[in-house]
Amino acid sequence: GAGVSQSPSNKVTEKGKDVELRCDPISGHTALYWYRQSLGQGLEFLIYFQGNSAPDKSGLPSDRFSAERTGGSVSTLTIQRTQQEDSAVYLCASSLAMGGVDTQYFGPGTRLTVL
Amino acid sequence: DQQVKQNSPSLSVQEGRISILNCDYTNSMFDYFLWYKKYPAEGPTFLISISSIKDKNEDGRFTVFLNKSAKHLSLHIVPSQPGDSAVYFCAAKKGAQKLVFGQGTRLTINP
Repeated sequence: GAGVSQSPSNKVTEKGKDVELRCDPISGHTALYWYRQSLGQGLEFLIYFQGNSAPDKSGLPSDRFSAERTGGSVSTLTIQRTQQEDSAVYLCASSLAMGGVDTQYFGPGTRLTVL
Repeated sequence: DQQVKQNSPSLSVQEGRISILNCDYTNSMFDYFLWYKKYPAEGPTFLISISSIKDKNEDGRFTVFLNKSAKHLSLHIVPSQPGDSAVYFCAAKKGAQKLVFGQGTRLTINP
C-alpha cells in the first residue's frame, strides 16, 4: 500500500513569501504529525492531529506557522512571511493512534530553503 | 525540557564490530520506546521497539536493552554493516501521547 507522501519534495522561496507544504497520510491513519529537522539538528515536533480532537499545536515556533487537516486526511502546513531560519526539512508522519507502540510512518520530507 | 536525550551526536564503528547507541530519558511514565533510522533525503523509518515491561527485545542483528532503574536504553547492532550508516533516533511515549524524540546519533560504519 501507499506510504506517507509529501509535496513538494523541494521548495525554494524568497524571504517574506508564504509557503504551503502538503502531506498525504496513510489511508486509515487517524493521527498525523508534523516535524522539522534543521541542518545538524534533531526532530523538532511542530503539531499533532488526532481524529476530531483539537490539534496539539504546542510545537509551533511562532504564529507564522499554522496547519490544518481536512476531512481527517490530507494536511497542509502553512508558513507565512518566511524567514531564513525557517529553512529545514519538514517531515510528516501518520499512525493508527492505537494503544501500544503506535508506530509512526514518515514521509520523505519537504526541503524548504528560504533565500 | 529534553525528556529524551542522545548524548553522542556521532559514532564511528568498524564493519563487523558491534555498534552501541545510547539513549537516556527522564520521564519514568514512558511505556514504549522506539528506535528510528534515517538516511539522508529520506524520512525516518521504524527499526525496533520495546515495552517498559521488558528489558530486552531482539530482531535479527538489532537488540534493544532497557534499564528502567537507570532510565537508559541502548540499541546494539551486531555485526555492523556499511548499510547501517545512518542517523538513529531514540523515541519514547506515554499512553496515547505523542512520541518524544531524541536529537539523534549519526552512525558511520567504516569498511
